Amino acid sequence: AQTVTQSQPEMSVQEAETVTLSCTYDTSESNYYLFWYKQPPSRQMILVIRQEAYKQQNATENRFSVNFQKAAKSFSLKISDSQLGDTAMYFCAFIKTNAGNMLTFGGGTRLMVKP
Amino acid sequence: KAGVTQTPRYLIKTRGQQVTLSCSPISGHRSVSWYQQTPGQGLQFLFEYFSETQRNKGNFPGRFSGRQFSNSRSEMNVSTLELGDSALYLCASSAGSKSETQYFGPGTRLLVL
Repeated sequence: AQTVTQSQPEMSVQEAETVTLSCTYDTSESNYYLFWYKQPPSRQMILVIRQEAYKQQNATENRFSVNFQKAAKSFSLKISDSQLGDTAMYFCAFIKTNAGNMLTFGGGTRLMVKP
Repeated sequence: KAGVTQTPRYLIKTRGQQVTLSCSPISGHRSVSWYQQTPGQGLQFLFEYFSETQRNKGNFPGRFSGRQFSNSRSEMNVSTLELGDSALYLCASSAGSKSETQYFGPGTRLLVL
């Protein structure tokens, strides 16, 4: 079974600054995908970024980037130029390759962006 | 394309009753997964349907069941409701069957009194 751990229950950052959210996972699988999802106070879960484990290059999406360390089983999310709209719960998630669509989530990090 | 829709958005039931929640996936998506979100347990996988077949099931009692129709719409049913079933139930759809990116609906907030 896979486990996903987010060690920072809450974080805050000043608007326009950079913040990094941590995620570690445990698996015996070699092929998998990792995701960061964002859940704003309105509750709609939104995909932030996706990383394929077989790719060494870290994924980026505009102000969002990841630091994927496969050997260390670490998958952190960096948010640059933080905006008030980034205030949300952030969930790290894991899915095995070719095993259906069953996500395993971490406990989440509540991020507050302060003006 | 329209996103994932879930109905109803809010529901209040009493212990012992049963409830049915509905999920319409993004057009063309064939996989629907259900998750339960609670403050104590976080996000937990319930089950996944693909082409009307249940492919994966999480560690939930048999009171939780689901089905998928030929148009990919899915329903989940909880029988004999317990207080602990109070949660946000999220539905997610994905295009295919192999570790696809999942797109979530707004959820159904269930309160059991």
